[in-house]
Amino acid sequence: DAKTTQPPSMDCAEGRAANLPCNHSTISGNEYVYWYRQIHSQGPQYIIHGLKNNETNEMASLIITEDRKSSTLILPHATLRDTAVYYCIVRVEGFGNEKLTFGTGTRLTIIP
Amino acid sequence: ETGVTQTPRHLVMGMTNKKSLKCEQHLGHNAMYWYKQSAKKPLELMFVYNFKEQTENNSVPSRFSPECPNSSHLFLHLHTLQPEDSALYLCASSQLDGRAAVEQFFGPGTRLTVL
Repeated sequence: DAKTTQPPSMDCAEGRAANLPCNHSTISGNEYVYWYRQIHSQGPQYIIHGLKNNETNEMASLIITEDRKSSTLILPHATLRDTAVYYCIVRVEGFGNEKLTFGTGTRLTIIP
Repeated sequence: ETGVTQTPRHLVMGMTNKKSLKCEQHLGHNAMYWYKQSAKKPLELMFVYNFKEQTENNSVPSRFSPECPNSSHLFLHLHTLQPEDSALYLCASSQLDGRAAVEQFFGPGTRLTVL
């Protein structure tokens, strides 16, 4: 699976949009981009995933560049409960590849 | 509440003890996982079970012994651990439907301290 690069930490004011970047310049054509987050002392939580089109759900939006070498996770109206470590993961989707490879992620702090 | 429960939530054990971690998923999933999260290190996959069969052992030492008696329960048996095995142990589950699972649901973890 392709490696990802994320900034180690970011701050965002409460109520503003939080934009978390991820670089995955070696991504292959059949690899998806996944985002998980881990709130302190809890297990990781799935947020969103996509292949090449932008995706949106009730938690966030995922913007993938046209060349697919980078992506941005957007939390539209950040709250204090969004303070967490956010992981960008790239992996092939196919039966038998259930492995998630976590990096060090981005520690997002929402400031009141 | 993710539908994945883990017990105990905290465990302190000596290096000569034998203990077991338990995971139960209430989601009807058919795949379960053990992950380890050490201080200041990324989460790392330990074991994968699909349909109760172990499909991945990520070079885990034999002092960690997994058991999956059915698709809802997963155990991690521990014996003669080392202090460096102290970590947060996370269980997850997912539904395999002919393609890789979109989402893994994680439990809250067991915080293990080895003295």
